[in-house]
Amino acid sequence: GQNIDQPTEMTATEGAIVQINCTYQTSGFNGLFWYQQHAGEAPTFLSYNVLDGLEEKGRFSSFLSRSKGYSYLLLKELQMKDSASYLCAVRGNTNAGKSTFGDGTTLTVKP
Amino acid sequence: KAGVTQTPRYLIKTRGQQVTLSCSPISGHRSVSWYQQTPGQGLQFLFEYFSETQRNKGNFPGRFSGRQFSNSRSEMNVSTLELGDSALYLCASMETGGHDEQYFGPGTRLTVT
Repeated sequence: GQNIDQPTEMTATEGAIVQINCTYQTSGFNGLFWYQQHAGEAPTFLSYNVLDGLEEKGRFSSFLSRSKGYSYLLLKELQMKDSASYLCAVRGNTNAGKSTFGDGTTLTVKP
Repeated sequence: KAGVTQTPRYLIKTRGQQVTLSCSPISGHRSVSWYQQTPGQGLQFLFEYFSETQRNKGNFPGRFSGRQFSNSRSEMNVSTLELGDSALYLCASMETGGHDEQYFGPGTRLTVT
């Protein structure tokens, strides 16, 4: 089976940097995804890691350590519009279209 | 390219009824996955269809079923609705699998009364 843990809530200030952690225990691993979901909307893809290391994409970066079962999403230069839920999802070895999601981290950005 | 579309967007049903939800994937995408999202359980995987065949299945009862057509459009059916089935049902499409990214539709909000 797969178990994914991430903090329930985080608060940060506009312009600051925030790191959202995700730990996972899986029977197989074929990639870790981060999604952003605004209230009442569908999740949108942010990043994907399958190898260890840091992937940078503008203000957002994602890091993966497979040996530690650990990932983080780093958001820089926070904006008010970054207030949303951030979902960590793991895709198992053979289950291509099956992703197991964490419960999400609700980020509130304050002025 | 048009995104993933789902119909209807909102639905109210009564306990015991059945419901069918529809999902049209992005053109060229052959995989469609369905997820249930509730405040208490988060996003839970229901099943995935690829080339008209169920490729993966989650841990939901047999009341939840689906199918995929030759044009990759997919339908999900829930029979004998229960109050606990009230949720946002999301479908996601991707090209084939492996490291492909999943694109989510806007979801169908189902309320069972």
